[in-house]
Amino acid sequence: QQQVKQSPQSLIVQKGGISIINCAYENTAFDYFPWYQQFPGKGPALLIAIRPDVSEKKEGRFTISFNKSAKQFSLHIMDSQPGDSATYFCAEAGDFNKFYFGSGTKLNVKP
Amino acid sequence: GAGVSQSPSNKVTEKGKDVELRCDPISGHTALYWYRQRLGQGLEFLIYFQGNSAPDKSGLPSDRFSAERTGESVSTLTIQRTQQEDSAVYLCASSLQPGMNTGELFFGEGSRLTVL
Repeated sequence: QQQVKQSPQSLIVQKGGISIINCAYENTAFDYFPWYQQFPGKGPALLIAIRPDVSEKKEGRFTISFNKSAKQFSLHIMDSQPGDSATYFCAEAGDFNKFYFGSGTKLNVKP
Repeated sequence: GAGVSQSPSNKVTEKGKDVELRCDPISGHTALYWYRQRLGQGLEFLIYFQGNSAPDKSGLPSDRFSAERTGESVSTLTIQRTQQEDSAVYLCASSLQPGMNTGELFFGEGSRLTVL
């Protein structure tokens, strides 16, 4: 069922460092690419999203970079903080009727 | 509450028993989704409801799984004759009418199912 490949599976970053998570998709018909953040025991929550008509979107310390020709998009977390420690999921959707999620990246930001 | 509510939060059952999981979406949200999350894994799409349209059941893994939704309100996911591989967290999400907004999914905290 998985149509979006996410890497790495886990990531350890020092406080203040940059966290980078990558996703590759297959279906070019999809036009909405969100990132969700999930803390233990909680449901995922939308972090940031992008459409393929732009190559980059930034919200605070979080940036999505989108490469349409390579069918890849990535999440960059600048100045990573221990509070950013969570599992991050990329996803793709078309017409919002079905969201396909990546396998998740467990981020641990060490103080 | 204003969020998506799921119950029970935890369910332990014996193999072969039937279970029902409930989801109360955010009021006014016409779209409702069920996902399964196995331990340490990603979110696996199960089923999607949108208004009065026929549900998209393409993600249901077997005929032991079924789901219903009453209008644009409560949904129930039923698993019959549970198996150990059904053990997972079942997440429900809702969103405003698709295409009219950012497409943000609002997730509940999930129902953790353990089949012994």
